[in-house]
Amino acid sequence: DAGVIQSPRHEVTEMGQEVTLRCKPISGHDYLFWYRQTMMRGLELLIYFNNNVPIDDSGMPEDRFSAKMPNASFSTLKIQPSEPRDSAVYFCASSGGQGFHNQPQHFGDGTRLSIL
Amino acid sequence: QQPVQSPQAVILREGEDAVINCSSSKALYSVHWYRQKHGEAPVFLMILLKGGEQKGHEKISASFNEKKQQSSLYLTASQLSYSGTYFCGSRGLSGNTGKLIFGQGTTLQVKP
Repeated sequence: DAGVIQSPRHEVTEMGQEVTLRCKPISGHDYLFWYRQTMMRGLELLIYFNNNVPIDDSGMPEDRFSAKMPNASFSTLKIQPSEPRDSAVYFCASSGGQGFHNQPQHFGDGTRLSIL
Repeated sequence: QQPVQSPQAVILREGEDAVINCSSSKALYSVHWYRQKHGEAPVFLMILLKGGEQKGHEKISASFNEKKQQSSLYLTASQLSYSGTYFCGSRGLSGNTGKLIFGQGTTLQVKP
């Protein structure tokens, strides 16, 4: 079975540009999570969805960040305008919902984002 | 609130054992353990539920002490492939229970 698929794998862009990261969760999973990982801050939860509905976006750093999940098989994380401090690895993860306490999260390979 | 992991880093020789601890100041319902190798995504190891202990991966096992709000990951007879960063993730008893908060990670290096 295909795992969580993220694109692009690498993104290098200049400050001020719009960045869109994409994620396809595992089929049948109804939870989707966006994380950001940096050396300084570790693995931070940005936002998560349940059945395509945003449940908790308290980790979204500021209004420049937005996330959508228009359907069960696709989600985007957008940064506009981008800044050098947004440089990080962004992971998407998904999990099954039933008995979510004992359901593992499956991570995609991540997008390594560099803002110049 | 982010769980606290200890130690921050461990260096072992092949065959040696290690223990990684994960502590929370809040009541926990479950603790998840993941391993991340350099340049790769975190990979699920196991879940410890309130009241339970689960062994799930190679020679790696874990326990969950509800009174101390602490989970420990035990790596026995370590292999080179165990090298990586280990993260615990905690889920609370109430509120947004879909949310997993990760600790800062413990870096494990196994040498020949």
